[in-house]
Amino acid sequence: NAGVTQTPKFRILKIGQSMTLQCTQDMNHNYMYWYRQDPGMGLKLIYYSVGAGITDKGEVPNGYNVSRSTTEDFPLRLELAAPSQTSVYFCASSYTIYSGANVLTFGAGSRLTVL
Amino acid sequence: QKEVEQNSGPLSVPEGAIASLNCTYSDRGSQSFFWYRQYSGKSPELIMSIYSNGDKEDGRFTAQLNKASQYVSLLIRDSQPSDSATYLCAVNFSGTYKYIFGTGTRLKVLA
Repeated sequence: NAGVTQTPKFRILKIGQSMTLQCTQDMNHNYMYWYRQDPGMGLKLIYYSVGAGITDKGEVPNGYNVSRSTTEDFPLRLELAAPSQTSVYFCASSYTIYSGANVLTFGAGSRLTVL
Repeated sequence: QKEVEQNSGPLSVPEGAIASLNCTYSDRGSQSFFWYRQYSGKSPELIMSIYSNGDKEDGRFTAQLNKASQYVSLLIRDSQPSDSATYLCAVNFSGTYKYIFGTGTRLKVLA
């Protein structure tokens, strides 16, 4: 039972480079989320998806893009990396206990450094 | 304006004491509230969820919700050194599937 799998675990980028953080879940969850966590801070929501083909912006979407072509996969794209995007990125998926009550299951995180 | 607020701490308590962690939120229509624990370098894990006013107990943990005051808290009884971690409050804002987190409170349980 893999749960939520993120790759890569670590990555160093140069300013202006692009990359994609991969996220896959095998729990058949409809809802998926991308958060970033800066040192000593809480989680900031970047983008989320309520199902295949449906995505929406969170609190800090600028500089990122997402797509959701399948239930399982929710990749996060950084087009022009900037030092401000240095952070730990967490992908999460959730099931619904009842309407409006989802429990998040997190991946192990991807640590990104932009130099 | 922050939407979910927590005292960042650190909150230091002696082993065996009660640790009290607090969280306030801005959306009066919010219905779902969660406490996650995060050890250093690890991903958050769910401790408690609460949806109705009042107390909800699970082992040594008690979540308390007061929607009128827009306040949710987590009590940890008989605190252990292994409880030392950052505790994150998360709120599902009404009418959305967004789960917004506070900045977290760092708890230190002193042996």
